[in-house]
Amino acid sequence: GAVVSQHPSWVICKSGTSVKIECRSLDFQATTMFWYRQFPKQSLMLMATSNEGSKATYEQGVEKDKFLINHASLTLSTLTVTSAHPEDSSFYICSARDWLAGEGEQYFGPGTRLTVT
Amino acid sequence: GENVEQHPSTLSVQEGDSAVIKCTYSDSASNYFPWYKQELGKRPQLIIDIRSNVGEKKDQRIAVTLNKTAKHFSLHITETQPEDSAVYFCADTVQGAQKLVFGQGTRLTINP
Repeated sequence: GAVVSQHPSWVICKSGTSVKIECRSLDFQATTMFWYRQFPKQSLMLMATSNEGSKATYEQGVEKDKFLINHASLTLSTLTVTSAHPEDSSFYICSARDWLAGEGEQYFGPGTRLTVT
Repeated sequence: GENVEQHPSTLSVQEGDSAVIKCTYSDSASNYFPWYKQELGKRPQLIIDIRSNVGEKKDQRIAVTLNKTAKHFSLHITETQPEDSAVYFCADTVQGAQKLVFGQGTRLTINP
């Protein structure tokens, strides 16, 4: 149980274009999903908290107009990197909380490696 | 805001020996402390967690201890094996909050 999928697993795009990443909870309902960014040899940096049916909560320093988050259902959240630039190249990982599980438990997706050329 | 400090940043041990990674947190209201293992290019995997009403939890070769007074918690891996080589992250969450705050990570290398 508690499986989270992410698509695509990797993507290469040109500078100035937009990229959409999907995060799905496959066998549970996730009222809350989280989006992280991880640079090489660094820790996970929380970008935003996504709640089903409401606006995402962004961490300080994360541009909400650049990183658009939509959590339209209890099993799907999407992150769109708009007008991507080379500095946006990173490993993006989502996680989801099972609302039936105990407080705090999160399950991670496999990540999406974004390369902006 | 909440801050989690993790040490050491790198750790190298001989196969069969024990490894200990320690984290210190700042918010006394923190009540959930998970440990994640991340292999290169892969997702973090929850390996063990502990809640604030428990002082120690063990799962085979892995154990976690929590000292609420000192506000630190530790991961103990005994009888280490080469497949234990990975980056380990501690994290915590404050009661009522939704998000996890991660430590900086420890790169553990098990030498055969």
